[in-house]
Amino acid sequence: ILNVEQSPQSLHVQEGDSTNFTCSFPSSNFYALHWYRWETAKSPEALFVMTLNGDEKKKGRISATLNTKEGYSYLYIKGSQPEDSATYLCAPHQAGTALIFGKGTTLSVSS
Amino acid sequence: DTEVTQTPKHLVMGMTNKKSLKCEQHMGHRAMYWYKQKAKKPPELMFVYSYEKLSINESVPSRFSPECPNSSLLNLHLHALQPEDSALYLCASSQEQASYEQYFGPGTRLTVT
Repeated sequence: ILNVEQSPQSLHVQEGDSTNFTCSFPSSNFYALHWYRWETAKSPEALFVMTLNGDEKKKGRISATLNTKEGYSYLYIKGSQPEDSATYLCAPHQAGTALIFGKGTTLSVSS
Repeated sequence: DTEVTQTPKHLVMGMTNKKSLKCEQHMGHRAMYWYKQKAKKPPELMFVYSYEKLSINESVPSRFSPECPNSSLLNLHLHALQPEDSALYLCASSQEQASYEQYFGPGTRLTVT
């Protein structure tokens, strides 16, 4: 079973703060890493799919980096807004397998 | 159309009932997934279909029976469920069963009494 660790488990920031969280995963047989954003009472929404070591992806104020050799990915949110409040799930998968979701980091942004 | 639809939204069933969950997408995706999500936990993969063939079964009990009648539809047939099977069942699809983002449906909230 793929061991996926996300930290911190939860995070509370003020509007305008920048924040980041971590996803750690086994580096062997790495195939891809997905990040999803999951708001309460909604479906998970894909943010990024990353495959290459050193990949950096950006969508608006959210960006992510990937290190496949050491087995981690960072998600950054610049200038957090209340609408960024959600649980952020990372999901790596190894070759020949399906996604395994981490437990997520729950972000709460207060105005 | 980037939507995955699921019916019903809510389902209450007894342990002796037989029911089905339905999932539909019209994005031309060739991979479809069933996940089970319990409160405060991430989605757990149950089944993957790729090109209408069962690709992955994550050791799911036989009281859950998936079916993919065509490339747009995915069903989950339920029979003799247990109360601990109560959960949110999410369907998702992706272009291929590979490094492509998955599009999730809103889920079916299942309660087994």
